[in-house]
Amino acid sequence: GEDVEQSLFLSVREGDSSVINCTYTDSSSTYLYWYKQEPGAGLQLLTYIFSNMDMKQDQRLTVLLNKKDKHLSLRIADTQTGDSAIYFCAERGNTDKLIFGTGTRLQVFP
Amino acid sequence: DADVTQTPRNRITKTGKRIMLECSQTKGHDRMYWYRQDPGLGLQLIYYSFDVKDINKGEISDGYSVSRQAQAKFSLSLESAIPNQTALYFCATRSVWGEQFFGPGTRLTVL
Repeated sequence: GEDVEQSLFLSVREGDSSVINCTYTDSSSTYLYWYKQEPGAGLQLLTYIFSNMDMKQDQRLTVLLNKKDKHLSLRIADTQTGDSAIYFCAERGNTDKLIFGTGTRLQVFP
Repeated sequence: DADVTQTPRNRITKTGKRIMLECSQTKGHDRMYWYRQDPGLGLQLIYYSFDVKDINKGEISDGYSVSRQAQAKFSLSLESAIPNQTALYFCATRSVWGEQFFGPGTRLTVL
């Protein structure tokens, strides 16, 4: 079945870049998403990429997609303490359902 | 004002009680979803609705039911709550472009 995997934790120093990785199994994925969840809040869509793209940049965020390896990454440049949150990768294939990863908790320390 | 709202935000109830979680949206989207979030498990889809007359089961629908009262309203019911339904519940809508917008969540505790 469809599966999306992420590492559970990432810790970075303020000002450094963060790279959060995600792998998925559904070869029919059409869209891939990154969501951010801050404590006590819902999920906020950060960015998404179509499966026919290999890179998308949006201010401090860069999404890289390696469709052959089914690998997605989110790079946050100049990471700030306000970036501390849980980041979810999600993919949508031919069905209407989003399949979410387990989330990566990003901790930014001074 | 928030585009997707959920009520209540927190609820504590006892085993066997019937609970209804409500979701309203002002985004005008036809598609609405209910998810539950458990620590370390990401989000799991409970039910989804393409429009008022079209409701579908998700991965973990057992023990839950839904009602789509209008385009803007989608409620989730637990007919007889049990402790392993303790979780964070999210409602979401989806635009025609595929973006999903989430509500703030309802934290449900079943004792």
